[in-house]
Amino acid sequence: QVQLQESGPGLVKTSETLSLTCTVSGYSISSGYYWGWIRQPPGKGLQWIGNINYNGSTNYNPSLKSRVTISLDTSENQFSLKLSSVTAADTAVYYCARSRTYCSGGSCYLPGYWGQGTLVTVSS
Amino acid sequence: QSALTQPPSASGSPGQSVTISCTGTNSDVGGYNYVSWYQQRPGKAPKLMIYEVTKRPSGVPDRFSGSKSGNTASLTVSGLQAEDEADYYCSSYASSNDCVFGGGTKLTVL
Repeated sequence: QVQLQESGPGLVKTSETLSLTCTVSGYSISSGYYWGWIRQPPGKGLQWIGNINYNGSTNYNPSLKSRVTISLDTSENQFSLKLSSVTAADTAVYYCARSRTYCSGGSCYLPGYWGQGTLVTVSS
Repeated sequence: QSALTQPPSASGSPGQSVTISCTGTNSDVGGYNYVSWYQQRPGKAPKLMIYEVTKRPSGVPDRFSGSKSGNTASLTVSGLQAEDEADYYCSSYASSNDCVFGGGTKLTVL
């Protein structure tokens, strides 16, 4: 069973870059599927940030695209999120996720497995 | 990319059925059979309940069902139980290769 675990600083200063890592166990990220990031501001709904597939091709939310980078580290079986020039509006619980097993087509963009989430607060 | 539209709240008594709607456009919900529904309990990660509009992952009770008509997808919970009280989110694949979520619906079991 695939498992995902987010890690990174819980506090980031305004205008700096937020960096998170998702460590995957139970499946090799280079073997297939899409690996993504979703966030949830406190008390609010879910927002898709973007994803990367197993061969490194990325897709980003158009509203965040200019500030987001998602990358793979196959040697560590991890993938990462970088969000630049953060403001208080970027304060949220950040989740990493993977496609559902045996997905196909656009269904693979939608999360099947989720990490537990990590709260990142942006403050000066 | 605009969020899908869900009612903020829904409710029902134990044993009743409740349906939650999720309205998008023909660029997302209406254009593809790639709609998922998630259940989220307080302080927890979302859990996949329905995928590809109507399909249930292993382990999800058959009280949960999904459907779609035009640009609106729906989640129906039959035989409501206290444990079904949670927030529910829809999600859809969208053209331009991205993904969009609904604003979420808080389901209360009365």
